[in-house]
Order: sequence, then C-alpha cells, then structure tokens
Amino acid sequence: AQKITQTQPGMFVQEKEAVTLDCTYDTSDPSYGLFWYKQPSSGEMIFLIYQGSYDQQNATEGRYSLNFQKARKSANLVISASQLGDSAMYFCAMRRFEGANSKLTFGKGITLSVRP
Amino acid sequence: DAGVIQSPRHEVTEMGQEVTLRCKPISGHDYLFWYRQTMMRGLELLIYFNNNVPIDDSGMPEDRFSAKMPNASFSTLKIQPSEPRDSAVYFCASSPGLAGANTQYFGPGTRLTVL
Repeated sequence: AQKITQTQPGMFVQEKEAVTLDCTYDTSDPSYGLFWYKQPSSGEMIFLIYQGSYDQQNATEGRYSLNFQKARKSANLVISASQLGDSAMYFCAMRRFEGANSKLTFGKGITLSVRP
Repeated sequence: DAGVIQSPRHEVTEMGQEVTLRCKPISGHDYLFWYRQTMMRGLELLIYFNNNVPIDDSGMPEDRFSAKMPNASFSTLKIQPSEPRDSAVYFCASSPGLAGANTQYFGPGTRLTVL
C-alpha cells in the first residue's frame, strides 16, 4: 500500500522568501509518480508539478521546484520568491506507474501562509 | 480549453432529500474521478471511470451513493437519501490516462451542505 505523509501543521513565510513544504512517502513499487497540488481558499485543486521516480533531474515549474530524494523517499516542494497569492493548502500525492488500480494517494496537506 | 466543469457550485438541502452532482470532464480525457473532501478525512476517492465504465467504486461510502457516466462528456454523482454527514466538498477530476505523468485535473468542486 502507498502512503503519503505531510506532518507540518502550518507554515509561515515572509513575502519574497523561499519556503520548503515537506512530503515523505512509502511504497514498494519500483516506479511511481509524485504530484503537488495547491488548494487556495476558493477551494479549487490546482496541479503544480510532477516528478517521476526515474527522472534524473528534479522537476521545476517556474517558481516551483521539487527536491526529490529517492533514497530517503522524500519529495519536498520548494517555492521560491513567495507571493501573497501562494497562501493556500498544498497537497502531495503519489501514484504507482503500473497496475490496474493506479490511483492517486493524497497526503493530509500543509497550510502555507505568506506574510507581507 | 475549458477545464472540468461541475454544477452546482453550492448545494444546500435537507436531510432525506436526493442530491445530484454533475460533472463535465475535459474533452478527450478517458478517465473521470469523483472525490470527497472533509476536514476529518481529507481527500477521498469515491469512484472512477474509464471510457464511461466504472472501474473502482470501493470508495463509495454506502448504497445511498451512486454514480453514472452515460457518455464521455457527462457524469453524475447521486446521494439518495442525503444525510448531514454527507456534507463535504465533492470534486470531479479527469485525466487522459492513469500511468506515468498523466495528471488529474480537478473541477472547482461542489460544496454540499445537508441540514
């Protein structure tokens, strides 16, 4: 079974600074994908970034990057130059690559507040 | 391109009433998912379809919940009869595939309140 752990109860960051949101996972599958989603107060779930377990380089998408450490089973999201609009819940999720039931497993989420 | 469309955005109903939530996936996506989000349980997958066929409904909480996908551009999630514990945000998501980097794109959600 797959499991995603997001233990940070809430994070605060000053505007324009960088912040790291932690995510650890547990799986016995050899290949899998990791995803981060953002959920602002308006409620929608917005896809941010994807990392494949066999990707050689850490994924980057604009101000978002993923610090992927496969041996430690961690996939932390780094947001650079934080903006007030980054205040939201952030969810880490994973999915095995193969198999009939390749469902996304979500973590509990982390609340990020950006201070002006 | 339009994203996933859900209606209604908000629904308030009384216990015992039937509730129908609607979803239009992104055109060309073969997979459609229904999720429920609550503070206590987080985001839970209820059911998903592939090419309009239900593949896994193990997350459907009980017989009061049913989901259909009569065609590639429309799905419904029905609760009959509704109960206060069904109050949650219900998301529909769609994806072009299940493997690899295929991403699920979520709709805006339906906030359901059962009084």
